[in-house]
Amino acid sequence: AQSVTQLGSHVSVSEGALVLLRCNYSSSVPPYLFWYVQYPNQGLQLLLKYTSAATLVKGINGFEAEFKKSETSFHLTKPSAHMSDAAEYFCAVSVTSSASKIIFGSGTRLSIRP
Amino acid sequence: SAVISQKPSRDICQRGTSLTIQCQVDSQVTMMFWYRQQPGQSLTLIATANQGSEATYESGFVIDKFPISRPNLTFSTLTVSNMSPEDSSIYLCSVEGGLPGNTIYFGEGSWLTVV
Repeated sequence: AQSVTQLGSHVSVSEGALVLLRCNYSSSVPPYLFWYVQYPNQGLQLLLKYTSAATLVKGINGFEAEFKKSETSFHLTKPSAHMSDAAEYFCAVSVTSSASKIIFGSGTRLSIRP
Repeated sequence: SAVISQKPSRDICQRGTSLTIQCQVDSQVTMMFWYRQQPGQSLTLIATANQGSEATYESGFVIDKFPISRPNLTFSTLTVSNMSPEDSSIYLCSVEGGLPGNTIYFGEGSWLTVV
């Protein structure tokens, strides 16, 4: 069965600092992986997705993630944090039997310090 | 991209009542999904709704509690029956964009509070 583990329920960085949100996955087959963002009192928005093309995936708002098969990781990064990046971030993996059905990690709340 | 509209966006419900959430998509989609996000938690899949067939429920969710309709390729409803405070959650509708691995789009969610 597929699963994702997000390390750190809460990450706090200073404005302008590097953002690193960690995600490890478990899948018996090459997975499809996603990062979603949820701003306060809003729904989910797709940041980026990995579908077996380039291992470095660029998303919206300056975020990117690198698929590392050897480490079963798909960490999300952004070189310079902005106050508007404060949100909840979810890593997700598709379910093999139904690639359209995805399983979410527990989420990481990102706070930005002025 | 798919645009998903959910109604209601928010509601406060009395214990023991039922509420139906509507999900409308601006294009025809084969599969629609319903998720629940309890306060401070991640998203959990409730069921998959395919047009013309019964919904498929995940472990821990049953049709009597969460009946789902899928009358056509652009619309679905989720009913939360006999609500209790534990049902206070965000309920999100999602659709897949086509090929496997395509973008999964989410509605803005329906924020239910049961009192």
